[in-house]
Amino acid sequence: SQTIHQWPATLVQPVGSPLSLECTVEGTSNPNLYWYRQAAGRGLQLLFYSVGIGQISSEVPQNLSASRPQDRQFILSSKKLLLSDSGFYLCAWNGGATYNEQFFGPGTRLTVL
Amino acid sequence: KNEVEQSPQNLTAQEGEFITINCSYSVGISALHWLQQHPGGGIVSLFMLSSGKKKHGRLIATINIQEKHSSLHITASHPRDSAVYICAVSPSGTYKYIFGTGTRLKVLA
Repeated sequence: SQTIHQWPATLVQPVGSPLSLECTVEGTSNPNLYWYRQAAGRGLQLLFYSVGIGQISSEVPQNLSASRPQDRQFILSSKKLLLSDSGFYLCAWNGGATYNEQFFGPGTRLTVL
Repeated sequence: KNEVEQSPQNLTAQEGEFITINCSYSVGISALHWLQQHPGGGIVSLFMLSSGKKKHGRLIATINIQEKHSSLHITASHPRDSAVYICAVSPSGTYKYIFGTGTRLKVLA
């Protein structure tokens, strides 16, 4: 069966520090991968999605970047965090027989101070 | 105007009540999804609909494609149903989701 992992689960970082969040999927190959952010009291916003290794599409201009160095690994990064980067970050995947349904990771709660 | 609108935004119910959450959308879709987000943040998929009605336990989801509207019903609500319920649509021709802002449900014992 397929599983999706995210780490860390929680993170507190100072303004101006770098960020690296990791997402990995097991039990499937060539998944579509997604990064979402949910700011406090707000809905989910799609940040990046990837349909293959090295292929990244950005949905909104921002302080963040994403990379997909391996088929089932998706990384969200920032060189310098802003206060507005605080939020709950979710990774999701779909593909194969479940192409029309996304499955979500447990999320990372990021607080920028 | 958001492409996916949910109502109500917040809902408080007494245990045992019948609950309805509504979702309207303005784009052509290949599927509509109802998701549940627990207080810890994790998201679980409840239903994926492209037509008609689905039932799972005390949860029922319906969709009217012509009217671009879906409802999620909870029968005999229980405090463990307290969560944020999110409607999301997959626009035609894409696997991406467009999300509603969610309905925060609190069921009191």
